[in-house]
Amino acid sequence: AQSVAQPEDQVNVAEGNPLTVKCTYSVSGNPYLFWYVQYPNRGLQFLLKYITGDNLVKGSYGFEAEFNKSQTSFHLKKPSALVSDSALYFCAVRDMKDTGKLIFGQGTTLQVKP
Amino acid sequence: ETGVTQSPTHLIKTRGQQVTLRCSSQSGHNTVSWYQQALGQGPQFIFQYYREEENGRGNFPPRFSGLQFPNYSSELNVNALELDDSALYLCASSLAGAATEAFFGQGTRLTVV
Repeated sequence: AQSVAQPEDQVNVAEGNPLTVKCTYSVSGNPYLFWYVQYPNRGLQFLLKYITGDNLVKGSYGFEAEFNKSQTSFHLKKPSALVSDSALYFCAVRDMKDTGKLIFGQGTTLQVKP
Repeated sequence: ETGVTQSPTHLIKTRGQQVTLRCSSQSGHNTVSWYQQALGQGPQFIFQYYREEENGRGNFPPRFSGLQFPNYSSELNVNALELDDSALYLCASSLAGAATEAFFGQGTRLTVV
């Protein structure tokens, strides 16, 4: 079965420092991977996706993600964190064996402190 | 903003009642999906509609049903509400295809008392 794991419930980073939010996946076939961000009482906002091609994907708000096929990982990164990046982050994989639905991880809360 | 709008934003219902949630898709999108997000959890897939036909369903009972209209807007109906149905319900619209991202509405917070 397709699945996504986000091993950290919370990541704490000082403003200006680099951040990484981890995601690992399990799929059969080619992975279609996504990152979303959710602010309190809001819906999910698309950040970036990996479909094929370069392993380093650039997205919105200075975020990027590194796809690693051998480690089945898709970690979200940003070189310099902002306090406004504090939010809940979800990694998702599209399950092409079942309607193309998105399967989400449990989410990681990112806390950026001034 | 994504262009996906949901109504209402908040709703309180009594156990056993029925509820209808609405979603207006982003212009040009022919696929709409609904997700349930319980507190502290990731979104869980309920079902998906493509060109007015349901083409996929998650592990939700039949009392969860939906519709998609010719303008691609959508409804989620839940009958015989249970306390565990309390959650944020998210609508997502997209173009069909694996490579396309889904755009989410702000959600409807349903509380069942």
